[in-house]
Amino acid sequence: DAGITQSPRHKVTETGTPVTLRCHQTENHRYMYWYRQDPGHGLRLIHYSYGVKDTDKGEVSDGYSVSRSKTEDFLLTLESATSSQTSVYFCAISEAGSGNTIYFGEGSWLTVV
Amino acid sequence: AQRVTQPEKLLSVFKGAPVELKCNYSYSGSPELFWYVQYSRQRLQLLLRHISRESIKGFTADLNKGETSFHLKKPFAQEEDSAMYYCALKGGGNKLTFGTGTQLKVEL
Repeated sequence: DAGITQSPRHKVTETGTPVTLRCHQTENHRYMYWYRQDPGHGLRLIHYSYGVKDTDKGEVSDGYSVSRSKTEDFLLTLESATSSQTSVYFCAISEAGSGNTIYFGEGSWLTVV
Repeated sequence: AQRVTQPEKLLSVFKGAPVELKCNYSYSGSPELFWYVQYSRQRLQLLLRHISRESIKGFTADLNKGETSFHLKKPFAQEEDSAMYYCALKGGGNKLTFGTGTQLKVEL
């Protein structure tokens, strides 16, 4: 398994509170991603990073921000959590270029009440 | 724009029966196609990618550019194949676009 650690793995939070999920990798891969998984939607890209301090939006970025100050860490922040952000969040990593596989972390279960 | 369609939410087969999970894609360039598998509440694991043309756990998938399809097949289903299967496309920007997934249930 690729060296990807997500924390926390499970969290329950209240509507309106900020939440930060952390993804840590030991593979020194250039690309890091945050996806959310919801029934009927599969996995949808929230944000991704192609290098330290280089990030871009995915298809469902509203309400989320990210930061990458070190190669190994990619943080996802919900500025003010809403019930619609209850989901399973997966971090992923990859080297650049064609033919490189994208590897996934174990997921973070977030419930917003 | 890139898009992946998996038309079946649930596919139920008997043990020993053939399996085909459908995947169609839309992409204007030259795509890379993948199949990922997710066992209950676990991480997604890479099952196959079209460029390697390998067989993993008895599964194969052939990229058909004419039909824009990348269907996943296995001749004889096993109980341990029960899982969620996702087809994914990597186009521009080194990003994966996923289909909505197909839950495979293998019954005894």
